[in-house]
Order: sequence, then structure tokens, then C-alpha cells
Amino acid sequence: EAGVAQSPRYKIIEKRQSVAFWCNPISGHATLYWYQQILGQGPKLLIQFQNNGVVDDSQLPKDRFSAERLKGVDSTLKIQPAKLEDSAVYLCASSLGRPGTQYFGPGTRLLVL
Amino acid sequence: SQQGEEDPQALSIQEGENATMNCSYKTSINNLQWYRQNSGRGLVHLILIRSNEREKHSGRLRVTLDTSKKSSSLLITASRAADTASYFCATVLSSYNTDKLIFGTGTRLQVFP
Repeated sequence: EAGVAQSPRYKIIEKRQSVAFWCNPISGHATLYWYQQILGQGPKLLIQFQNNGVVDDSQLPKDRFSAERLKGVDSTLKIQPAKLEDSAVYLCASSLGRPGTQYFGPGTRLLVL
Repeated sequence: SQQGEEDPQALSIQEGENATMNCSYKTSINNLQWYRQNSGRGLVHLILIRSNEREKHSGRLRVTLDTSKKSSSLLITASRAADTASYFCATVLSSYNTDKLIFGTGTRLQVFP
């Protein structure tokens, strides 16, 4: 069974630029999550989708971050404009149902200069 | 904010020794999970313990849960160099439509051959 796929694996941008991350969850998984992991900390949930609807985005900085999940499968997370403090690893996870074990992708490491 | 706090923050041991990591959390939980994160890779689910369980085993892993003290411990027996990773506890906060994983700050384990 293929795992959660994410791309790109690494991204370096300058502040005020925009960036987008892509996630393909495990086939059949209805729930998809985006986490932000700052160096030295545990992951923090940014947004949770159930199929293509948002069920929790309480910790998403909506002035600069946006996310969508078209057709309830792939998802993209966008940052516009990026700030220095956005430098982190962005992890995507999916689960079959609620509650369910979350399976994580390898993450995208973002560096904002 | 982080729900859990792991202790110690870092741990170095020799192969064959046992490693014990502790996690404390703040609010009532339905279950508590432990994850491993290798350098530069995503998180891998290790074990889940429910709030009505006191101890659980999986291979060389032993997890205990004390809900009265709001604490959990992860014991890795007969450690191997491949166990070198960061270990996170995560509590699940459930509402009617979400299951939010709240991660602790992690313990960095180094196992020397």
C-alpha cells in the first residue's frame, strides 16, 4: 500500500514570496491533516479535512495560509506571503476514519530567507 | 499550545540498554499515542493506549498510562542503533467532528553502537 506522498521535499524562498505544498493521501482515506513542525517542537495541527470539507482550521493563520482539498483526494497548502517564522516542516497525514491512526508523509522542509 | 511535555528532552544510551521516556499532559483524554520521527522523515505511529488501559505492549515497546497523574511512559527494551530518533506523545482531543492530535515537545533518543 502506498503511503502519503508530499512534494516538494525541500523549498527555499525569500520572505514575501508565495509557496505551495501538495499532498496525496493514502487511497480511500477520508480525513486529511496538515501540520506545521517548527524545529525542536512537536507538530501542530493547521487544518483538518473530512472528504473535501474543512472541519477544523482554528490554528491556521488565515491571513496568509490557505488550503483546499479538491474532490476529497489531493490537497494543497499555500502560504502567501511567507514570513521568516514560517520556516518549518509541513507534514501531511491521512486517516481512514474517525478516530483513526494517522499516517504521515515525509514532509516538506521550508526555509524562508 | 503543546498539550504534552516529554521528559527528558534528550537521552543517550548504549545499544542493549533500556530507554524510558515520560510524557505529562494537561487535560482529560480518550487515548494517548506515541510516535517516532527519524531525522528528516515523517512520523510513524508506534502504539495507542486508551484511557481505560494501564499498560500495553508491542514488541520491544511498553507503554503505561496513569490518568490520575496525567502521565504516560514509553519503555524501549534492548535498544538498537536503529531506535535513534525523536519520540513524541500525542493526546487526542475529540469533538463532534474533529479528532485533534496534540503533540508534546519530544524526546531525542541517541543509541550508540
